Amino acid sequence: GENVEQHPSTLSVQEGDSAVIKCTYSDSASNYFPWYKQELGKRPQLIIDIRSNVGEKKDQRIAVTLNKTAKHFSLHITETQPEDSAVYFCAASGNAGNMLTFGGGTRLMVKP
Amino acid sequence: NAGVMQNPRHLVRRRGQEARLRCSPMKGHSHVYWYRQLPEEGLKFMVYLQKENIIDESGMPKERFSAEFPKEGPSILRIQQVVRGDSAAYFCASSPQGDYYEQYFGPGTRLTVT
Repeated sequence: GENVEQHPSTLSVQEGDSAVIKCTYSDSASNYFPWYKQELGKRPQLIIDIRSNVGEKKDQRIAVTLNKTAKHFSLHITETQPEDSAVYFCAASGNAGNMLTFGGGTRLMVKP
Repeated sequence: NAGVMQNPRHLVRRRGQEARLRCSPMKGHSHVYWYRQLPEEGLKFMVYLQKENIIDESGMPKERFSAEFPKEGPSILRIQQVVRGDSAAYFCASSPQGDYYEQYFGPGTRLTVT
């Protein structure tokens, strides 16, 4: 089955700096890669996703890149703000309607 | 358009009791997934259902756990004879029918077994 590794497990940045979170996956058949943000005690919230036919996708301060050959994908947050502080999870899925395999999460702390 | 609904939000059970967790998907969504999140850990897939069908239950323990998504009403995750190790947050997610991937999560049910 699929295995997703996520690094780093914790990340502390100064407000205004950029943050990068990296994930690797094992199943070359995976073709959908979402990112979720989870605040303490809240539900995981889909913030951006990318499919295997695209190398990069951007939405305001958030961008995701995908390297299918190397089987890794990354989340980039620019101009970080204190409200970006949360746990971020990457995930991978093989087919529409299929389950998500999650990474272990990254706790991002943005210091004002 | 209401989001994914789960109830109860918090559930306390004594060891040996049964826990029933309910999930109502978003309107127009016919795919339901259950995930479990242990404290300070990521989400682990348990089961994937469509109306009246279990599609994939590979992540669900074979004993004490069962799930259903009837033609009418919410999806239910049932845990019989709960043990302390079942204490976790249980999240439900839903996805539209057809060739879609996005899964949207409910607020979760936090189960505490005493």
